[in-house]
Amino acid sequence: EPEVTQTPSHQVTQMGQEVILRCVPISNHLYFYWYRQILGQKVEFLVSFYNNEISEKSEIFDDQFSVERPDGSNFTLKIRSTKLEDSAMYFCASSGDGNFNQPQHFGDGTRLSIL
Amino acid sequence: DQQVKQNSPSLSVQEGRISILNCDYTNSMFDYFLWYKKYPAEGPTFLISISSIKDKNEDGRFTVFLNKSAKHLSLHIVPSQPGDSAVYFCAGYNAGGTSYGKLTFGQGTILTVHP
Repeated sequence: EPEVTQTPSHQVTQMGQEVILRCVPISNHLYFYWYRQILGQKVEFLVSFYNNEISEKSEIFDDQFSVERPDGSNFTLKIRSTKLEDSAMYFCASSGDGNFNQPQHFGDGTRLSIL
Repeated sequence: DQQVKQNSPSLSVQEGRISILNCDYTNSMFDYFLWYKKYPAEGPTFLISISSIKDKNEDGRFTVFLNKSAKHLSLHIVPSQPGDSAVYFCAGYNAGGTSYGKLTFGQGTILTVHP
């Protein structure tokens, strides 16, 4: 079964440094998402992406965050200047091979640790 | 953000019996609901969904019930198996709006199925 893959599985970064989290969505999917889960808290929506642009973003997704689909397969989340509170599991998801109301399929996440 | 609530942090069930996981929501704009299962160190895995035009959806051992007037949904697993032990999340979204699939998750319920 096709799956969403995320790299790296664990990223350790110094506060203030830039970090790029990478995702390869399911190949025929059209909608892409990033979520995060801070330890002990809910999974929270960050951003959705469709047709090469952001469709919706949450309050968390401020100017320090950006997303990009640099080629036909990768979907990246960049945090420009990381803060301690950015430490979390970051999940990429994809959905929609034409029919919008299809479930989102998640990757196994990247654990981001900010020191 | 308490739009989706799972009030039971944990549930323990004997193998072969029924597991019932509950979820309440407050956002009346939600018209599509999903259940995900999550094992440690993995991403959420889609289980089953239900549209607000239905009150029940069944897939093998999993059945989801939706009570729109009570803004309540439940996931029934029959019979429960030890491999079902995981964290279960319910999520809602406004499929009829412009949220492009933004999922709002509950806190999760840890299900333990004892042999």
